[in-house]
Amino acid sequence: GAGVSQSPSNKVTEKGKDVELRCDPISGHTALYWYRQSLGQGLEFLIYFQGNSAPDKSGLPSDRFSAERTGGSVSTLTIQRTQQEDSAVYLCASSLAGAWGGEQFFGPGTRLTVL
Amino acid sequence: SQQGEEDPQALSIQEGENATMNCSYKTSINNLQWYRQNSGRGLVHLILIRSNEREKHSGRLRVTLDTSKKSSSLLITASRAADTASYFCATAGRLGFGGGADGLTFGKGTHLIIQP
Repeated sequence: GAGVSQSPSNKVTEKGKDVELRCDPISGHTALYWYRQSLGQGLEFLIYFQGNSAPDKSGLPSDRFSAERTGGSVSTLTIQRTQQEDSAVYLCASSLAGAWGGEQFFGPGTRLTVL
Repeated sequence: SQQGEEDPQALSIQEGENATMNCSYKTSINNLQWYRQNSGRGLVHLILIRSNEREKHSGRLRVTLDTSKKSSSLLITASRAADTASYFCATAGRLGFGGGADGLTFGKGTHLIIQP
C-alpha cells in the first residue's frame, strides 16, 4: 500500500506566524512519530502517538509546539509564533502496534523555512 | 539529545570496496537500527539488531553489536554508486529506562560517497 505521506513538502513562513504540518501514516499503523532534522544533523525525536494519545511529549522543544492525532490516523504538528531556529525538515514516521522500538517507516518530510 | 555518534562523519571509497561505519551510544538499549537517507528515497530502514544479538546479516550488509562497549558497526560489502547516502544509527531505549519511549534516538550520521 501507500507509504507515509506528509504535506506540505515545503513551507516558507514569516517569523511569528503559526504553521501546521500534516502526516498521513501507513494504514493500520497505530504508532506515529514526529522528528525534526536540522541541516547536517541527525534526527531529533519530538513526540510519539499510540493511537490518539501521546504518552510521551518530552521531546517537544517548547510550548509553542503541539501535536494531535485524530481517528488513530492523521496527525498535525502545529508550531505557534514560529522562530528562525524552527527552520528544519520535519519528518513523520509510523510503525505497527507493539513494535517496541521496531522498524519505523518515514515520510518524505516537510521542509520548513522561517524568514 | 544525541545518543548515537557515528564515525567517521564522512567516508569516500571506490566502487567495489567495502565500507565500514561505526556507532557508539550511551544508555541501555532494546535494539539498535541503521537507516539510510538520500535525496531520492528519504529515510529508509536497513537493519535492526536486538540487544541480545551480536551480529546480523542482510544482503550486502553486516551489522555487529557490542553492548559491553556500547558500540555497533555497519559493513557494506562490494559497494555500489547507489550506496552513496548518509547512514544513521538509531537506538531504541529499554522500557523503563527513559529514552523517549518508542522514539528512536539518532546519531548525526556518516556521509558515504562511492566513487565510480
